[in-house]
Formats: sequence, C-alpha cells, structure tokens
Amino acid sequence: GAGVSQSPSNKVTEKGKDVELRCDPISGHTALYWYRQSLGQGLEFLIYFQGNSAPDKSGLPSDRFSAERTGGSVSTLTIQRTQQEDSAVYLCASSLADRVLRNEQFFGPGTRLTVL
Amino acid sequence: AQSVTQLGSHVSVSEGALVLLRCNYSSSVPPYLFWYVQYPNQGLQLLLKYTTGATLVKGINGFEAEFKKSETSFHLTKPSAHMSDAAEYFCAVRAQNSGGSNYKLTFGKGTLLTVNP
Repeated sequence: GAGVSQSPSNKVTEKGKDVELRCDPISGHTALYWYRQSLGQGLEFLIYFQGNSAPDKSGLPSDRFSAERTGGSVSTLTIQRTQQEDSAVYLCASSLADRVLRNEQFFGPGTRLTVL
Repeated sequence: AQSVTQLGSHVSVSEGALVLLRCNYSSSVPPYLFWYVQYPNQGLQLLLKYTTGATLVKGINGFEAEFKKSETSFHLTKPSAHMSDAAEYFCAVRAQNSGGSNYKLTFGKGTLLTVNP
C-alpha cells in the first residue's frame, strides 16, 4: 500500500473486554513499531519488531498487552481485560530496516481506543 | 537514558510571523534528531531530521531546524507562519549507537501551534 494503515480507526469498548488493533506496514518494511499516545503520558514506545521477532517488548505497560507479527507484515496489538487507563491513540510505524539507523519511521493514522 | 523537553505546550503566532518551537534533548551521545507534525486525527508526518553533516537542516513546508551540540538544542523555525501550519509538533530523538535501543524514538510532550489570522 501507499502508507501504513491501521484498523479500526476508532474502537469503543467496555472495561474488561479484549481488543485487537491491526497494523499493515508499508510493503517491504521489515521493521515495525507500536507507540501509544495519551493525554497524560504523551507518545510512548511500546514494542518493536524486526521481521516476525520482537527483540524489545520493554514498553508494554503490563502483561495484559501483547503483540505479534506474522509473515513479516501485518501486526496485531492485543489488549486483554481493558481498563480505562488504556484509553489512548495507538500508533503504528514501519521502516525499511533498523540496521540503517537513519531510516525514517513512517506512521499510520492511529487507532483511537476508548474504554468505558 | 534519553529525554526530550519541548518548552511551551502551546504557542500562538499571527499569520506571517516567525514560528519558533523549542526542543532540548538530554543524551550522553548526540542522537539523531527529528521533528514530526501531527494534524488533527492524523498520524505523524516527518518534517525534517538531523543525522550527520550540516547542522542546519531544511524540511518540508518551509520549516528548518538547527542542531546546536553545545546547547543540546534542535529548535524548529519558519520565517512566516501560514494558517495551514496549525498543528501539533513533536521533537524526537533516536540513539546513534549501534547497540542498545537505537531503533525507538523518544518524543517530547509536543507543542500545539495556533496561527491567528
């Protein structure tokens, strides 16, 4: 595709429910990143994928959060038993390869998650 | 650990006036530096970046920024503001070292730019 796409664009859920957020990176981009943007915390790094493996999951806020990437392409961020503090915009980005440190990260439009 | 400070969460200028958005970083080694812009309900778009070479970098939409190592700063400027520049601007850093967390961006809190007619 022309850019990074994310779905859904908006998600409203009830506290305690599980949600899945999807990211389609730019074709050919081997590196994929998830960030969270919230009013209180600003933009925070969550997790990074190189291919299908996630060398760094240190930004995931709790064990309710998990992510996977299949086929070196699509990634899914799953939040189990959602809490109100999970309400935020979840941004996905991709880049050609992290080994070339200057590669730009291209961001998707984000998924706005609201937990009632 | 790296950190980014953006002075002023909200900056208001008149159309045609100079835009100056401030960014200071804290890092043991000078990092790569970025400015992103976010329009309402959209993702982040890269305005410009500094990696190596000339310390004055030019980006899209007439913006530029200067890396000043001695001041650990990377302020964003534009000589004449347009109404279309109204958006939120984020400064970010990324480590230069080949090991460690050299892939993730660390962002400042953002500066909301308002342009008045």
